Amino acid sequence: KLVESGGGLAQPGGSLRLSCAASGPTFRNHAMTWVRQPPGKGLEWVSAISNGGGSTYYADSVKGRFTISRDDSKNTLYLQMNSLRVEDTAVYYCATDSPICTLWGQGTLVTVSS
Amino acid sequence: EIVMTQSPATLSVSPGERATLFCRASQSVSSDLAWYQQKPGQAPRLLIYGASTRATGIPARFSGSGSGTEFTLTISSLQSEDFSVYYCQQYNHWPPGTFGGGTKVEIK
Repeated sequence: KLVESGGGLAQPGGSLRLSCAASGPTFRNHAMTWVRQPPGKGLEWVSAISNGGGSTYYADSVKGRFTISRDDSKNTLYLQMNSLRVEDTAVYYCATDSPICTLWGQGTLVTVSS
Repeated sequence: EIVMTQSPATLSVSPGERATLFCRASQSVSSDLAWYQQKPGQAPRLLIYGASTRATGIPARFSGSGSGTEFTLTISSLQSEDFSVYYCQQYNHWPPGTFGGGTKVEIK
């Protein structure tokens, strides 16, 4: 099971850090993915990280602003979001595995507005 | 970047009928294509990967086919719980893992 947290309201130019807590002993064996969904719209792949954390990948729309990381000792995935824009407003989902998203969390809503 | 186009945008089907959804890639993605189902207010769920392999626990009424640029998701006999939005995703030219715009399957 995956549980996201850390969403909320941020101002343009601000920052938020999302967390995704995984239950079970196999988190460290899985690559992980973040996918977002603007209100009423479709899915957009955001970022992924390999098992072990040695490789990270980003969509062009977030490159240089977002940082994905993981702490396998805490079974937790993170997404540090800086320089937020209005267009980053979305529900953010974490998912196990990459590039196929096998299991998804319930999502956390990020709203960027002044 | 690969563009994934799904059609139709909305499909009206009666319960028990067959539904056929289409996904087209702007260039070949081989068989590196997944399908997801998303019910209102819920997270997406993986249905199909490798264009035709059902994920764990997915009923046999869901089937996928295609390769290259043309793909199909077929639901052989629609059940009430199948009325949802369906997304395709390519992962051959990854990153990014590009999603299609979705097809909403609604009750006719």
